[in-house]
Amino acid sequence: GQNIDQPTEMTATEGAIVQINCTYQTSGFNGLFWYQQHAGEAPTFLSYNVLDGLEEKGRFSSFLSRSKGYSYLLLKELQMKDSASYLCAVLDSNYQLIWGAGTKLIIKP
Amino acid sequence: IAGITQAPTSQILAAGRRMTLRCTQDMRHNAMYWYRQDLGLGLRLIHYSNTAGTTGKGEVPDGYSVSRANTDDFPLTLASAVPSQTSVYFCASSEGGLSTDTQYFGPGTRLTVL
Repeated sequence: GQNIDQPTEMTATEGAIVQINCTYQTSGFNGLFWYQQHAGEAPTFLSYNVLDGLEEKGRFSSFLSRSKGYSYLLLKELQMKDSASYLCAVLDSNYQLIWGAGTKLIIKP
Repeated sequence: IAGITQAPTSQILAAGRRMTLRCTQDMRHNAMYWYRQDLGLGLRLIHYSNTAGTTGKGEVPDGYSVSRANTDDFPLTLASAVPSQTSVYFCASSEGGLSTDTQYFGPGTRLTVL
C-alpha cells in the first residue's frame, strides 16, 4: 500500500527554527509537495521537490532524499502566522497526489 | 471571480437527500479534482478530470458522481447522502492533468449529514 508519515503535532517558539519530517512509501515517485493549511482554510502550495537536495525559498526550505523516501520542511525565524498544518504529498506513478495527514505546528511566543 | 470558488460554504443535510457541491475556476486550468478531508486523515481523492469531457475515479469514489461539461465547472453530486459522507470537501485545479503541475484549492465546503 501507499503510505505517507508525518508527526501529528509539533510545538516551537517564535523566532526559532523547526524541521517537519515526512517519510513515504508509494508506488512510483514523480515529486513531493509541501502545502500549508491554516485552520478552516484551503491548503496553499509551499514547495515542490523532484530531485535530491535542498530547495530554499525565503524562510522556508524543503529537502528530499529519494533513496531514503524522506523529506523535510525547514521553517526559520518562526512567526506566529506560521501556526498552521503542514501537509506532505507525493505524486505517484499515476500522477495522483497521495497525502499525509498533516503536521499541526503550534508557535508559542 | 479569482481562482476557485465553491458553493455552498457549509450545509447540513438529512440522510438520503441528494446534494450537489459546486466548483468553478477561472484560471482555464485543464484538470480539476475533488477531495475530502477528515480529521486525522490525509486528503483523499474522490474524482478527477484531466480535461473537459473526461472524468476518472480516485481513491474513494463510491457514493459520489461528477461531470465536466466545460473547462470551468466541476460539480460533485451525492445521490443519496449518508452520515459517513460528513466531511470537508475541497475542489482543486491544475494547469495540466497527469502532470507535476501545482494544484490550487478552493475554500472548501463543510458538509454535515445527519
